[in-house]
Amino acid sequence: ETGVTQTPRHLVMGMTNKKSLKCEQHLGHNAMYWYKQSAKKPLELMFVYNFKEQTENNSVPSRFSPECPNSSHLFLHLHTLQPEDSALYLCASSQIDTQYFGPGTRLTVL
Amino acid sequence: AQSVTQPDIHITVSEGASLELRCNYSYGATPYLFWYVQSPGQGLQLLLKYFSGDTLVQGIKGFEAEFKRSQSSFNLRKPSVHWSDAAEYFCAVGAWAGGGADGLTFGKGTHLIIQP
Repeated sequence: ETGVTQTPRHLVMGMTNKKSLKCEQHLGHNAMYWYKQSAKKPLELMFVYNFKEQTENNSVPSRFSPECPNSSHLFLHLHTLQPEDSALYLCASSQIDTQYFGPGTRLTVL
Repeated sequence: AQSVTQPDIHITVSEGASLELRCNYSYGATPYLFWYVQSPGQGLQLLLKYFSGDTLVQGIKGFEAEFKRSQSSFNLRKPSVHWSDAAEYFCAVGAWAGGGADGLTFGKGTHLIIQP
């Protein structure tokens, strides 16, 4: 499925930096999601947006701040991250039941 | 709370041989079950899904999976693997009621290695 794009694909940042991840879906879906994929751990759901409203925050630290300005765009704003936040961040979208994933942003926190 | 167990971290199969990847789930109601595949450096691609009806579902790339409620399982199968099937495979369970958005719970994945 090529309908979900994520930029940048790779990001290296220091612990004091502020950066943002962007996700865009071209599928006309109403719901969007952020997941974190760390080595040797299952994918972890971070946030869910349904019709631009945040419906789930899965106990994510406040240094991760999501934003969903419309049903097609989703951002993840990052600030004062820790090295353990290094991971692949995946965005997904869905209309009713099936989620389609983007390629992910590989984040490295130094 | 729902959970997914993929008991095999790594599986090695010879090219042309059959494949079965195991998945067990824990969920109190009727689950919505998925298999995704992830190639290195890529996102997750949907292979197949089960919501209701026929318990044997067909997916892309020649994969199929069978839902067995009595065993709480949703194993993925392929009769003959190709070298291009080498990837990470994830089983996931979701819970929707009437179309509301909800997140998926994933297993830890099974890394499939194909021997020539």
